[in-house]
Amino acid sequence: DQQVKQNSPSLSVQEGRISILNCDYTNSMFDYFLWYKKYPAEGPTFLISISSIKDKNEDGRFTVFLNKSAKHLSLHIVPSQPGDSAVYFCAASASNTGKLIFGQGTTLQVKP
Amino acid sequence: DAGVTQSPTHLIKTRGQHVTLRCSPISGHKSVSWYQQVLGQGPQFIFQYYEKEERGRGNFPDRFSARQFPNYSSELNVNALLLGDSALYLCASSNRQTTGKVTQYFGPGTRLLVL
Repeated sequence: DQQVKQNSPSLSVQEGRISILNCDYTNSMFDYFLWYKKYPAEGPTFLISISSIKDKNEDGRFTVFLNKSAKHLSLHIVPSQPGDSAVYFCAASASNTGKLIFGQGTTLQVKP
Repeated sequence: DAGVTQSPTHLIKTRGQHVTLRCSPISGHKSVSWYQQVLGQGPQFIFQYYEKEERGRGNFPDRFSARQFPNYSSELNVNALLLGDSALYLCASSNRQTTGKVTQYFGPGTRLLVL
């Protein structure tokens, strides 16, 4: 049972344009959501998070949107840069457990 | 400040052997979690430790065990290795207790290959 899903295995975007990565979840107990970026041969790097009491959180070029009624979140990267090319993981946790449940990842390629 | 460190970076073992992976959390962090990442999938939760006590366990067999030391470093042990244990093993640390809206920071991982 995949509680966190990233349905797009890959995404290709032109440099300077917006990248939108999507994530869906099924467990209504999740109340904290995170995005991580992963380069080959490295561990995941924390990007941005959002609590379930908010619907938007922004940090520089990165913005995460949360739609609780649809159990959907998205990560927007504007403007996209070639260095953003990596695998992006969506993760979720519930306050009573603290463990992270990850999606399968989306490979983003930003073309110069 | 150093981030989460893990050792070794790579490891090759044969079926039936035992392996110990090590993790040092970010200075000041008291919680350590272990995850297994198989190629093409997201990390899967294995264990969580806080203040040297196990606070969570994922759906992994008893061949997997872990512990946390007084300095908050941690070991993950896997006995009777199977080919399917080949994966990237990730350690993550956080600065607060395990429940609540806590961000976990990951180390570079240990790549284990079982032949």
